[in-house]
Amino acid sequence: EAGVAQSPRYKIIEKRQSVAFWCNPISGHATLYWYQQILGQGPKLLIQFQNNGVVDDSQLPKDRFSAERLKGVDSTLKIQPAKLEDSAVYLCASSSRLAENIQYFGAGTRLSVL
Amino acid sequence: AQSVTQLGSHVSVSEGALVLLRCNYSSSVPPYLFWYVQYPNQGLQLLLKYTTGATLVKGINGFEAEFKKSETSFHLTKPSAHMSDAAEYFCAAGTYKYIFGTGTRLKVLA
Repeated sequence: EAGVAQSPRYKIIEKRQSVAFWCNPISGHATLYWYQQILGQGPKLLIQFQNNGVVDDSQLPKDRFSAERLKGVDSTLKIQPAKLEDSAVYLCASSSRLAENIQYFGAGTRLSVL
Repeated sequence: AQSVTQLGSHVSVSEGALVLLRCNYSSSVPPYLFWYVQYPNQGLQLLLKYTTGATLVKGINGFEAEFKKSETSFHLTKPSAHMSDAAEYFCAAGTYKYIFGTGTRLKVLA
């Protein structure tokens, strides 16, 4: 079974630029999550999708972050404009009720904002 | 507020020694508990989980954890550390929404 795929693996941008990350969850997983992991901290949930609907985006900085999951499969997370404090690893995870709702994580995208 | 606390951001053990990584959760957190491991430049990999039933949970790579409701703890142990165990370990709690601890970086000394 293929795992959660994320791209790109690394991204370096300058502040005020925009950036987008892509995630392809495990096939059949209805729930998709985006996390932000700042160096030295645990992952923090940004947004949770159930199929193509948003379940929780309470910690998403909506003035600059946006996410979508069209057709309930792949998802993209966008930052526009980026700030220095957005430097972090962005992790995507997916889960399925049939798999006890355990979250499976991708390798992440490491973003550096200069 | 719900929280997960990992005591010790860095732990060093000698190869072959007992590994003990501590995790406590707030009592309002649902009793689904997890340990994940993160190797450099990789995502999080599930080590083990507690949902219901037996309080001593065995995971991959020889790790196990015990859920103690009275102590609100879910400490991770391994009888004998191996060099390949060097990584960062995260405790998490939740069902549909996880709350993560801040992580413990394990160093294994030769």
